[in-house]
Amino acid sequence: DGGITQSPKYLFRKEGQNVTLSCEQNLNHDAMYWYRQDPGQGLRLIYYSQIVNDFQKGDIAEGYSVSREKKESFPLTVTSAQKNPTAFYLCASALRTLDGYTFGSGTRLTVV
Amino acid sequence: GQNIDQPTEMTATEGAIVQINCTYQTSGFNGLFWYQQHAGEAPTFLSYNVLDGLEEKGRFSSFLSRSKGYSYLLLKELQMKDSASYLCASSVDFQKLVFGTGTRLLVSP
Repeated sequence: DGGITQSPKYLFRKEGQNVTLSCEQNLNHDAMYWYRQDPGQGLRLIYYSQIVNDFQKGDIAEGYSVSREKKESFPLTVTSAQKNPTAFYLCASALRTLDGYTFGSGTRLTVV
Repeated sequence: GQNIDQPTEMTATEGAIVQINCTYQTSGFNGLFWYQQHAGEAPTFLSYNVLDGLEEKGRFSSFLSRSKGYSYLLLKELQMKDSASYLCASSVDFQKLVFGTGTRLLVSP
C-alpha cells in the first residue's frame, strides 16, 4: 500500500539543538510540503518542493531548512534559530496540487 | 496577499444539518478544498471545487462562488463522529494550498 510516513511521532528537543524530521512517500508524487500547526490554529506552510533538487520557502521558513535529494524523501531540519519550535509538524505530498494532498500522520515536537 | 476566514467554532445536534462558511481573498486562486481533521490527527480530504456551484458527496456537499470569494461545506444527518475541525484551503498558483484557521465543530446528542 502506498502512503506517506513521518517519523518519529513524538520528539523532544533541548533548546539550542537542531533536529531533523523525516518524511518519506512511496506514492510517486512529485510535490512535497511541510506545514506547521499550533494549537487551535490552521496549517502554515514552511517549505515546499515541486521537483527533486528544488524547493521554495513558504510563509514561515525562517529557522527551518529542507533538502530534496530524492523524489521519495523531504526531510525538515528545525534549527536553533527557530524561536518557537514546539508545534505539530505535518508533511504532505501531491501528484499535482489540484489532486489534493495526502498527509502523513505528523510529528509532535516539544522543546524542553 | 492571502487571507482565508472561517468561524472559529460551531455547535450542532446529532441528525441536524450544519453549514460552515469560508471566505477567501487569495491571489493566483485555482480552486477550493475542504479537509476534516480530528484532534491530534492529520487532515483528510473531503471535497474540492474549481468551478462555481455545488459538489455533492454523500452526506457532505461543498459550494463555491468565485466571484464572491465564498465557499461553504454542508454536512447533513450529523453524526457524533463528525465532531472535528474543518479546514478550508485555497489552491494558489497550481503550486500550494493556503489554509484557513479551521472551524471546530462540536456535535452533541
